[in-house]
Amino acid sequence: AQSVAQPEDQVNVAEGNPLTVKCTYSVSGNPYLFWYVQYPNRGLQFLLKYITGDNLVKGSYGFEAEFNKSQTSFHLKKPSALVSDSALYFCAVRDNHMDSNYQLIWGAGTKLIIKP
Amino acid sequence: DADVTQTPRNRITKTGKRIMLECSQTKGHDRMYWYRQDPGLGLRLIYYSFDVKDINKGEISDGYSVSRQAQAKFSLSLESAIPNQTALYFCATARTGDYGYTFGSGTRLTVV
Repeated sequence: AQSVAQPEDQVNVAEGNPLTVKCTYSVSGNPYLFWYVQYPNRGLQFLLKYITGDNLVKGSYGFEAEFNKSQTSFHLKKPSALVSDSALYFCAVRDNHMDSNYQLIWGAGTKLIIKP
Repeated sequence: DADVTQTPRNRITKTGKRIMLECSQTKGHDRMYWYRQDPGLGLRLIYYSFDVKDINKGEISDGYSVSRQAQAKFSLSLESAIPNQTALYFCATARTGDYGYTFGSGTRLTVV
């Protein structure tokens, strides 16, 4: 079965330090992977995606993610955290089965807290 | 104006009542989705629609129904609300061939 795991419910980082939010996946075929961010009282916003090509994907707000096929991971990273990065982050993978209409499967989310 | 608008933003209703959540979009997207979000569970798909005449059940459709009144409008109904339907509900849109979803700001529903 296709699945996404975000092993950390919460990640705490000091402002200015690098941050990593972890995501691992299980999918048949080539994975299509996504990161979304949810700020308080807001809907989810698209950050970045991996479809094919370079394993390092750059996205919005200075975020990037590294696709690692051997470790089935797609960790979200940022070199220097800002307090304004504090939010809920979701990893998602596209279900590559036609009978599912290629729906997105979502991780449970990771709360990122950046402390001044 | 927001690209994807959900109404109401917040709603408190009583057990057994029928309630409708509405979603409209100006993105011109053909695909529309209803999700619910519960703490620690991520997003779970309730229903989705690829065009006005195409409605599909998601993983948790029991107790819910939908109507795609037009390409731009997709409403979610709870026929007889129960307390475990208390959640944050999101509408999302997408264009066939693209991979990104656009989300509304959500409806916080409380069933008492």
